[in-house]
Amino acid sequence: DSGVTQTPKHLITATGQRVTLRCSPRSGDLSVYWYQQSLDQGLQFLIQYYNGEERAKGNILERFSAQQFPDLHSELNLSSLELGDSALYFCASSMGGGTRGTDTQYFGPGTRLTVL
Amino acid sequence: AQTVTQSQPEMSVQEAETVTLSCTYDTSENNYYLFWYKQPPSRQMILVIRQEAYKQQNATENRFSVNFQKAAKSFSLKISDSQLGDTAMYFCAFMKHSVRSQGNLIFGKGTKLSVKP
Repeated sequence: DSGVTQTPKHLITATGQRVTLRCSPRSGDLSVYWYQQSLDQGLQFLIQYYNGEERAKGNILERFSAQQFPDLHSELNLSSLELGDSALYFCASSMGGGTRGTDTQYFGPGTRLTVL
Repeated sequence: AQTVTQSQPEMSVQEAETVTLSCTYDTSENNYYLFWYKQPPSRQMILVIRQEAYKQQNATENRFSVNFQKAAKSFSLKISDSQLGDTAMYFCAFMKHSVRSQGNLIFGKGTKLSVKP
């Protein structure tokens, strides 16, 4: 158990719908990262938050957005869902801070999203 | 841009034997980290081992060790005394060091390792 929690574990929805994925980082971690794992694209970085602020952005679609709340949990919002959005979505967390040894990322169990 | 290449899509090894998984990367950065993550059938991503580029000594974690060749940009994972529980997809990942805590992982496509009894 990494200490990172994600809910829900599974989500089945229809095209055009909107869903919210939730992540709670390990105790003491300030950085939260979101990754998407699909068969054709592999593991891709979406977005990072550090202590409530967006810190880095990857291949995140405009239909997707995220935020990190004052209690450091994060939510990833996916809207206007398409069949191709079906994937495993991981959240990871790290201490952050920029000093050596603080950026090792620990992953949650993932949320499997199926868009029908 | 950084890239990570794992040239072995699938490998197999007999239980108790040793196996080495290959990884090469491309970067112009000097300060970075390299990781191996394991993804068993449960789909959980589990950190196996971590290497800091400024350290010449190869990292070791129990039965797992790496051969880090900075000049060659090579980072292989050796698993000794393979166990059935080592059956998983193994991902090599790169992350550049950032004092601003901007640190996303760049993953290779993975190597599927099967340990046979």
